[in-house]
Amino acid sequence: KQEVTQIPAALSVPEGENLVLNCSFTDSAIYNLQWFRQDPGKGLTSLLLIQSSQREQTSGRLNASLDKSSGRSTLYIAASQPGDSATYLCAVRPRDAGNMLTFGGGTRLMVKP
Amino acid sequence: EAGVAQSPRYKIIEKRQSVAFWCNPISGHATLYWYQQILGQGPKLLIQFQNNGVVDDSQLPKDRFSAERLKGVDSTLKIQPAKLEDSAVYLCASSLSQRGSYNEQFFGPGTRLTVL
Repeated sequence: KQEVTQIPAALSVPEGENLVLNCSFTDSAIYNLQWFRQDPGKGLTSLLLIQSSQREQTSGRLNASLDKSSGRSTLYIAASQPGDSATYLCAVRPRDAGNMLTFGGGTRLMVKP
Repeated sequence: EAGVAQSPRYKIIEKRQSVAFWCNPISGHATLYWYQQILGQGPKLLIQFQNNGVVDDSQLPKDRFSAERLKGVDSTLKIQPAKLEDSAVYLCASSLSQRGSYNEQFFGPGTRLTVL
C-alpha cells in the first residue's frame, strides 16, 4: 500500500527566504507526482505535475524535483512571499490503477513579512 | 471555463442526522471523485465515478455513506446517520478521463461538515 509522507508538517520563514518542502513515498511504481496548494477554507490548486519519466518541473518561483528510485520529491520555493502562505500537498498517482491519488499530510507554510 | 462547483460550502448537523452534498464537475469531464479531508491530514479518496459507473469505492464506509451520479454529470454524496468522526472537508474533483494524459484532477472548494 502506497504511503506518502511530508516533512516538515509546519514551517515558518521570514519573507525572502528560499525554502524546500519534502515529500517521500514508499512505492516507486508511480505514473506521476503532483504538488498542490490549499488555502484555508479553499479547495486544492495544482502547482506542478511531474511525470515519472521527468526529473523536474518549473513554474515561476517554484521548482519540483522527482527521484523515483529513492521515493522522494522536493518543492523549492525561491524568494518566498507572504502570499505563499498556505498548505502544500504532494500526491502520487500509481502506475497500475485507474486514477487514484494518494496524498501526503501536507506542509503548512507561513511566510512572515 | 467554470470550475468544479460544490454546495453547500458549510454544514453543521448533530450526530445521527443525515446530510447530502452536491457536486457539479467541469463540463465534459467524465471522471468524478469524492475525497474526505480530516483536519490536518491529506485528502482520502472515498469514491471514483467514470460517467455514471463506480470505478473505485473501496474506502467508502458503505454502512453510512452513499454516492450517486445518475446521469453521468453532477453527483451527490450522502451520510446517514452521521457520526462525530465524519467532521471533515468533503472535496469533489473531476478529470477529462481516468487514464493517460487526460487524468489531471481539478478540485472544487469543498464542503466543510461539522458534526456536533
